[in-house]
Amino acid sequence: GAGVSQSPRYKVAKRGQDVALRCDPISGHVSLFWYQQALGQGPEFLTYFQNEAQLDKSGLPSDRFFAERPEGSVSTLKIQRTQQEDSAVYLCASSLLLPSGRVGSGANVLTFGAGSRLTVL
Amino acid sequence: TQLLEQSPQFLSIQEGENLTVYCNSSSVFSSLQWYRQEPGEGPVLLVTVVTGGEVKKLKRLTFQFGDARKDSSLHITAAQPGDTGLYLCAGAGTYKYIFGTGTRLKVLA
Repeated sequence: GAGVSQSPRYKVAKRGQDVALRCDPISGHVSLFWYQQALGQGPEFLTYFQNEAQLDKSGLPSDRFFAERPEGSVSTLKIQRTQQEDSAVYLCASSLLLPSGRVGSGANVLTFGAGSRLTVL
Repeated sequence: TQLLEQSPQFLSIQEGENLTVYCNSSSVFSSLQWYRQEPGEGPVLLVTVVTGGEVKKLKRLTFQFGDARKDSSLHITAAQPGDTGLYLCAGAGTYKYIFGTGTRLKVLA
């Protein structure tokens, strides 16, 4: 597609419920990132995929968070047994290459989706 | 842990004023990007700086990468209400971009 698409845009969950957030990156983009953003703050890194391989998951806050990209395109971020502190905007971004690849060429520019706003009651 | 601190955190100015936003780190980055984010949207890239000491201009915006590639600044000349938004710097790692803490700018008409 022309851009990065995320769904749902808004999700309200009761504490303890499981949620799944979907990201559809730009076709052909090798790299896919998930970030968590609190209101007015900078995005916090969660995890990185290079095609279907999850190369960095150091930012996932707990084992309740799980991400996958089984065919190297669409990705799903799953949060189990949601807690109130999970309330945030979850941003997905994709790029043609990984961050250190061909720096300055434009190939490692991040294109973000509009995000999924999760509210846990 | 690589951290990028931005200052100021908030800035409210009148149309026509100049301003500078700073992005500082104790770590060296191979490249640094600046993004602007508006409410309900994802961040949008403004510029990438790669070389220490590099200066890039984008209309009224001037970006500078520090000589040691640890810090950067964004200067806006004659700010306009359309410049309102959250400004973010981001340093490139191997498998991630580390984002700064953000500067929320409001330009009043």
